[in-house]
Amino acid sequence: EIVMTQSPATLSVSPGERATLSCRASQSVSSNLAWYQQKPGQAPRLLIYGASTRATGIPARFSGSGSGTEFTLTISSLQSEDFAVYYCQQYNNWPPLTFGPGTKVDIK
Amino acid sequence: EVQLVESGGGLVQPGGSLRLSCAASGFTFSSYSMNWVRQAPGKGLEWVSYISSSSSTIYYADSVKGRFTISRDNAKNSLYLQMNSLRDEDTAVYYCARDRKWDYYDSSGYWGQGTLVTVSS
Repeated sequence: EIVMTQSPATLSVSPGERATLSCRASQSVSSNLAWYQQKPGQAPRLLIYGASTRATGIPARFSGSGSGTEFTLTISSLQSEDFAVYYCQQYNNWPPLTFGPGTKVDIK
Repeated sequence: EVQLVESGGGLVQPGGSLRLSCAASGFTFSSYSMNWVRQAPGKGLEWVSYISSSSSTIYYADSVKGRFTISRDNAKNSLYLQMNSLRDEDTAVYYCARDRKWDYYDSSGYWGQGTLVTVSS
């Protein structure tokens, strides 16, 4: 089973600032990685698939990069609606599909 | 508009059973593979089960294998999760999720709002 880790666990950022979230896989997942955003009381929402492709309707301030075992989600200028928990997920070698533990982005 | 609506959650005693449903609309349900993903209170996301569009391929997480059964009825645009021998650790919000693409998995592009299952005596 591929284990996903994310850092930091919590990221405190001021509105308008840049946020950089990291995700690491225990073995290579190529570019088969997705990012999801989840707000309290809501279902997850797909942001990025294929490590770097934005899903439909996702603003350009969200960008993904990386391949192999190291990945990054960057939010270029945080808006109030971006404060949420972000999960990475690998789908290169499954089952099982595996998620990281999440990074909470909160207001500084 | 793609819509996924889960139902069937509730309070059940350890060892009991529950059947979750997910009603799909706004897309050709029979063309898409589906997953169940759960989230324990205050915790992260955990994949539970997968079913292909024709039900020919089914997978389970080790944590539920032998206790849960995924199924679908393409004529009724519905996905199901039969949960037996429930344990305290199965307490979670259960989400159904549709694959983003019809032909192979590259993410879960659409999610329902979830249904809460509480296992407690």
